[in-house]
Amino acid sequence: QQQVKQSPQSLIVQKGGISIINCAYENTAFDYFPWYQQFPGKGPALLIAIRPDVSEKKEGRFTISFNKSAKQFSLHIMDSQPGDSATYFCAASKPGRRALTFGSGTRLQVQP
Amino acid sequence: DSGVTQTPKHLITATGQRVTLRCSPRSGDLSVYWYQQSLDQGLQFLIQYYNGEERAKGNILERFSAQQFPDLHSELNLSSLELGDSALYFCASSPDLGAGYGYTFGSGTRLTVV
Repeated sequence: QQQVKQSPQSLIVQKGGISIINCAYENTAFDYFPWYQQFPGKGPALLIAIRPDVSEKKEGRFTISFNKSAKQFSLHIMDSQPGDSATYFCAASKPGRRALTFGSGTRLQVQP
Repeated sequence: DSGVTQTPKHLITATGQRVTLRCSPRSGDLSVYWYQQSLDQGLQFLIQYYNGEERAKGNILERFSAQQFPDLHSELNLSSLELGDSALYFCASSPDLGAGYGYTFGSGTRLTVV
């Protein structure tokens, strides 16, 4: 059972554009929603995270939008740069937060 | 460098064999998590240890086992290997029991079973 559904599978954006990746979850017990960035040959690295008591969190060019009623959250990358080209994973965890349930990943390519 | 060290980086072995993957957590982190990343299953949680004790279990096969030693390093043992076990195996660490402030992942061990 896929508890966190991520789309799109791949995304091509022009430099300076906005990249948007969406995730939907099923389990209402989830209360922590991080996004991870993974470059080839590296492990995932925490990018930004949100808890359901806020609807938006911004860190630099990266913003998470969270819609609790729709059980959806998304990552927006403003002014996308070629260096942002990587695979992005959304994730979710329950209270206690011992295990993360990951989405299937989005491969982002930012063209110069 | 994330501070989480995994060895070896690459491993090629035959079906039916047994291998051991090693992980040294970031300094000060007490929790170690193991994840499997494959093309068809994505990132799947296997198991968590906290200060030497098993604390959470995910989709870990019975052929797989793990332990965390007093110096906090962890080992993941994979036995009776099958072709389908070929994957990237990641170790992650965190300071406490939960992932509340995010894991720190290592660079992974790429296992190829032939």
